[in-house]
Amino acid sequence: EVQLVESGGGLVQPGRSLKLSCAASGFTFSNYYMAWVRQAPTKGLEWVASITNSGGSTYYRDSVKGRFTISRDNAKSTLYLQMDSLRSEDTATYYCTRVRTPFDYWGQGVMVTVSS
Amino acid sequence: DIVMTQSPFSLAVSEGEMVTINCKSSQSLLSSGNQKNYLAWYQQKPGQSPKLLIYYASTRQSGVPDRFIGSGSGTDFTLTISDVQAEDLADYYCLQHYSYPLTFGSGTKLEIK
Repeated sequence: EVQLVESGGGLVQPGRSLKLSCAASGFTFSNYYMAWVRQAPTKGLEWVASITNSGGSTYYRDSVKGRFTISRDNAKSTLYLQMDSLRSEDTATYYCTRVRTPFDYWGQGVMVTVSS
Repeated sequence: DIVMTQSPFSLAVSEGEMVTINCKSSQSLLSSGNQKNYLAWYQQKPGQSPKLLIYYASTRQSGVPDRFIGSGSGTDFTLTISDVQAEDLADYYCLQHYSYPLTFGSGTKLEIK
């Protein structure tokens, strides 16, 4: 059974950093691209970043480019999202997703609140 | 960026009725290489993570009831739910994965009368 379990969320002040993790199981992690999608409270879904299966290429939405870094450790079957210089508009539930047609499995999500 | 315009914002129907949700992209999502439309539909029930319903515009994900039907090509796409059930209460989103940045429609809230 495919499982994606996010962790690392919480309350953080503007300008500070936070690192999200996503532990994957039930499939061969190194065979799949992975991605992060977020959802601000009461708002719609927004793609954040994607990474190829090897980690050799990454893609970001403009609003997080230069502030967020997506990475992975295939030996640990874990996906990461390093979030720096956080802003209030980054407040959202962050979902880890497996990329296949294109997002076929999602984690339960982790809440990130950016507030002073 | 490809803009996804989804309509309606919300709709309310009785069980057993049919609903259609529309999604229009600002550019064609049809790949000339494999003739596939890079358009997916997601269902998000209250308090849950999104669930993939349809991919490549019309292919139903495994386990999805056949009352969910995706259609369309190019820039115009439709999700049809026939014989709506109470369990279909949810938000529905389209997503284009033809090019980065990947973009979602604004969502459609389905309510059951």
